[in-house]
Amino acid sequence: AQSVTQLGSHVSVSEGALVLLRCNYSSSVPPYLFWYVQYPNQGLQLLLKYTSAATLVKGINGFEAEFKKSETSFHLTKPSAHMSDAAEYFCAVRDRGTTPLVFGKGTRLSVIA
Amino acid sequence: EPEVTQTPSHQVTQMGQEVILRCVPISNHLYFYWYRQILGQKVEFLVSFYNNEISEKSEIFDDQFSVERPDGSNFTLKIRSTKLEDSAMYFCASETGGNQPQHFGDGTRLSIL
Repeated sequence: AQSVTQLGSHVSVSEGALVLLRCNYSSSVPPYLFWYVQYPNQGLQLLLKYTSAATLVKGINGFEAEFKKSETSFHLTKPSAHMSDAAEYFCAVRDRGTTPLVFGKGTRLSVIA
Repeated sequence: EPEVTQTPSHQVTQMGQEVILRCVPISNHLYFYWYRQILGQKVEFLVSFYNNEISEKSEIFDDQFSVERPDGSNFTLKIRSTKLEDSAMYFCASETGGNQPQHFGDGTRLSIL
């Protein structure tokens, strides 16, 4: 069975600082991996996806994530945090297309001025 | 950009009453999903639907739940006799298939009194 672990339920960074949100997955087959962002009172918006092409994936709003098979990780980074990045971030996995997503517990990102 | 639309945004219902949550998926999408997020917990899969039938369901999706695509555009989730523990945010998602990601609506917050 697949699972996702997001280390840190809450991460706080200063504006302009590096953002690093951690995600480790468990899957018996090459996974499809996703990061979604949830702003307050809104739905889940896709940030980026990994589907076995390039291991470094670029997404929206300056975010990117690197797939590391040896570490079973898919950490999300952004070089310089902006106040508008404050939100809940979810890592998700599935083993092939058209199957349900398995989500991590989420990491709440706070950005301090 | 096309969106998944969910109505209502907030539903308050007495315990034991039936509730129907409505979703309009993106028009060319073929696969549909319901997820829920209990406050403070992770997003959990409920059910997937393709070609007018359930393709997969979780153990949460018991006999009190049903889904329907009544008219080719709407996708509904019915809870027959609501319980206090059904209080959650319910998300609808849709996708075209293949390696494409799921697109989520803004959710319906269901409050059971």
